Amino acid sequence: DGGITQSPKYLFRKEGQNVTLSCEQNLNHDAMYWYRQDPGQGLRLIYYSQIVNDFQKGDIAEGYSVSREKKESFPLTVTSAQKNPTAFYLCASSIVQSFGQPQHFGDGTRLSIL
Amino acid sequence: QKEVEQNSGPLSVPEGAIASLNCTYSDRGSQSFFWYRQYSGKSPELIMSIYSNGDKEDGRFTAQLNKASQYVSLLIRDSQPSDSATYLCAVNILTGGGNKLTFGTGTQLKVEL
Repeated sequence: DGGITQSPKYLFRKEGQNVTLSCEQNLNHDAMYWYRQDPGQGLRLIYYSQIVNDFQKGDIAEGYSVSREKKESFPLTVTSAQKNPTAFYLCASSIVQSFGQPQHFGDGTRLSIL
Repeated sequence: QKEVEQNSGPLSVPEGAIASLNCTYSDRGSQSFFWYRQYSGKSPELIMSIYSNGDKEDGRFTAQLNKASQYVSLLIRDSQPSDSATYLCAVNILTGGGNKLTFGTGTQLKVEL
């Protein structure tokens, strides 16, 4: 089955710790995205990548980092600089066309502070 | 002004009625518009895409787009309790880094028996 796999489903972070959220897709999509969702605030874009070895900051990139070494994978690291990391993190992917294509989402990772 | 605005609700409709969800956007250059359904605790699921002015129907769902008024809506006919969810409007914006979607905060729909 084609789709987007996020892991883990739940993650707990200690103070001062960096944690990495995994996102893998087998849809052969060029573009991948990371969002953060807080209650009542909708989805906010953290980082996105339209091609391997290139990525762009979204609206709330501070305290986060990403890499895109393979087309299929777009891991997100939540660094200790992110002081309020508790949220629902969603990874998405899409094909790339000039007028924009819908994004398809993984099941998400819930991150909490211990 | 927010880039994509939705009424947060909750919007309550009786079972079998038509639910009407509305969304306005600020970027006149936007060309692609999407509606997602999100059940509590789950990830968003794409239910409709619309790219041209007018109506687009898919089963019980109809998306309506009016680019002149910068307005997109979603109608759900014969609403069912299983339609109870938060509906997110998303608008494509072209940036220097490529296409990205901007989401509204969502409208919570409750379909009552």
